[in-house]
Amino acid sequence: ILNVEQSPQSLHVQEGDSTNFTCSFPSSNFYALHWYRWETAKSPEALFVMTLNGDEKKKGRISATLNTKEGYSYLYIKGSQPEDSATYLCAYTSGSRLTFGEGTQLTVNP
Amino acid sequence: GAGVSQSPSNKVTEKGKDVELRCDPISGHTALYWYRQRLGQGLEFLIYFQGNSAPDKSGLPSDRFSAERTGESVSTLTIQRTQQEDSAVYLCASSSHPTGATEAFFGQGTRLTVV
Repeated sequence: ILNVEQSPQSLHVQEGDSTNFTCSFPSSNFYALHWYRWETAKSPEALFVMTLNGDEKKKGRISATLNTKEGYSYLYIKGSQPEDSATYLCAYTSGSRLTFGEGTQLTVNP
Repeated sequence: GAGVSQSPSNKVTEKGKDVELRCDPISGHTALYWYRQRLGQGLEFLIYFQGNSAPDKSGLPSDRFSAERTGESVSTLTIQRTQQEDSAVYLCASSSHPTGATEAFFGQGTRLTVV
């Protein structure tokens, strides 16, 4: 059984706050780590796919880092906005199935 | 098509009936995944296709569940003798790379309610 764990489970922040979440995954047989954003009543949308230890990716105010040796990834949101409210999912693959964590539910209050 | 399409979007069925859920992936995408999300829970892996083959179907919860893919395109997930615990949103995703090195694109899902 592959365990992909995310923390915290939920998070409430004020508009303008910066925040970060953690995803931990098996460090053995690593192939790729994905981050997705899932808004209510929509489908999950990909944010990043990272494959190399030390990878850092950025899209606007959102960035992510990857440590494959210790099996964790961080997602950062700078200056949170109400429209960032969503569930953020990470997914690990060793080369076939994508195994998702339970997600971090972010609520940004105006 | 432009994206992953699933049908029906909603399905209400009586306990004991069979249902068939359809997924049309993005054209040319080799990998296809089925997941389900039960109320209050995360995404639960069901099955993964690489082309028309299913190298990993370890997530299918029972022998009432089966899936196939044809023409390296459309996939159908069949649930026989539905039970109330089968109620969930069933999501399909496809990816251009067979080993997960590229992002997966999700459909809108099929909400299945077993009454």
